[in-house]
Amino acid sequence: GAVVSQHPSRVICKSGTSVKIECRSLDFQATTMFWYRQFPKKSLMLMATSNEGSKATYEQGVEKDKFLINHASLTLSTLTVTSAHPEDSSFYICSASPQDRGTAGELFFGEGSRLTVL
Amino acid sequence: DAKTTQPPSMDCAEGRAANLPCNHSTISGNEYVYWYRQIHSQGPQYIIHGLKNNETNEMASLIITEDRKSSTLILPHATLRDTAVYYCIVSSGSARQLTFGSGTQLTVLP
Repeated sequence: GAVVSQHPSRVICKSGTSVKIECRSLDFQATTMFWYRQFPKKSLMLMATSNEGSKATYEQGVEKDKFLINHASLTLSTLTVTSAHPEDSSFYICSASPQDRGTAGELFFGEGSRLTVL
Repeated sequence: DAKTTQPPSMDCAEGRAANLPCNHSTISGNEYVYWYRQIHSQGPQYIIHGLKNNETNEMASLIITEDRKSSTLILPHATLRDTAVYYCIVSSGSARQLTFGSGTQLTVLP
């Protein structure tokens, strides 16, 4: 089946630094990818929709200057947490579906990236 | 997308069938019912989806009521590895994005 891979799976950084998380579709092309965040014991919350070749669409309350999204190719989207603070510590998950999939296709999720900001 | 309601937690004995209910009374005609699960500290895993008819695959069966206002996910022979949070999601499909509710924490007991 289709695979979505995230890197790194875990990252620890100091407060004030920036961290980049990659999301790759390994065996299919995706014009759209989605970024979620998940706090402990909570459900996934959609942060933004990453669109290949155009600007990302952010959900209400998500700071676009804080969470920079770049979708430079049909197989790669990146999320950069800028000037990270401890409250940004979370589990970040991306998802994608093949662009040739019909209207009711499944979404494939990455393994997630756990960010800890000290 | 329509909202779903699931019990917060359920237990099931290993080897027995696990039946996970989901209410989606405001589902509209073009919305599908999707089930995903998330094992601790991993990304969600697709299980099954359906529109009107019951569906079965190698992982599970999905039973959708005739009025489509509720559904049940059935894991026929639960194993310890099936312990996870199970999410029932209603989506039009074309949206490609999914809105996750609280899900049901299924614990399979030895």
